[in-house]
Amino acid sequence: SQQGEEDPQALSIQEGENATMNCSYKTSINNLQWYRQNSGRGLVHLILIRSNEREKHSGRLRVTLDTSKKSSSLLITASRAADTASYFCATVPYRNTDKLIFGTGTRLQVFP
Amino acid sequence: GAGVSQSPSNKVTEKGKDVELRCDPISGHTALYWYRQRLGQGLEFLIYFQGNSAPDKSGLPSDRFSAERTGESVSTLTIQRTQQEDSAVYLCASSLTSSPGHGAFFGQGTRLTVV
Repeated sequence: SQQGEEDPQALSIQEGENATMNCSYKTSINNLQWYRQNSGRGLVHLILIRSNEREKHSGRLRVTLDTSKKSSSLLITASRAADTASYFCATVPYRNTDKLIFGTGTRLQVFP
Repeated sequence: GAGVSQSPSNKVTEKGKDVELRCDPISGHTALYWYRQRLGQGLEFLIYFQGNSAPDKSGLPSDRFSAERTGESVSTLTIQRTQQEDSAVYLCASSLTSSPGHGAFFGQGTRLTVV
């Protein structure tokens, strides 16, 4: 079963705008990760945030985590056409650190 | 190798036939995952291997699905008596350790089409 759900399912923006994607999950987590997928094949790990962290940055990426609301957001600033892809959140459940469970994904389209 | 390697990249098979999908993880990675992704959907967890521990098979959808892993190296996912609903991309990932959680590295997947 899927642990997380992303919102929105699809997002279209112009180059230079910021893109925000949200992820909600169901059970307590050890950490939450964001991945990017191009063209429906392999995923690329973007960033990991642990349950005791509230915010993390990596280049143009900013991730927040609110464990009380069981939600996370991924912000991509100054988007580029090359950011067009699907973005997935994935959680490592607290009581079972063996699994990496993915959400449903957000399809981001950035127009030049 | 430099990354996770999956083979074949594409497989077309007739309904009822068995298929075997292969995954070569990054050397030294103890954790290995298999996922299934149907067109336009998220990743469905299938099975997880961690070192010499018993695998977590809780995501396998039926007894037609099985997977093996030799030590901390190659893994094979076998689907017996394939059905059309098995058509999907099968993704393999490996990571250095499962706890407290590190980013996983994915292969490019095997696109399986059952006709």
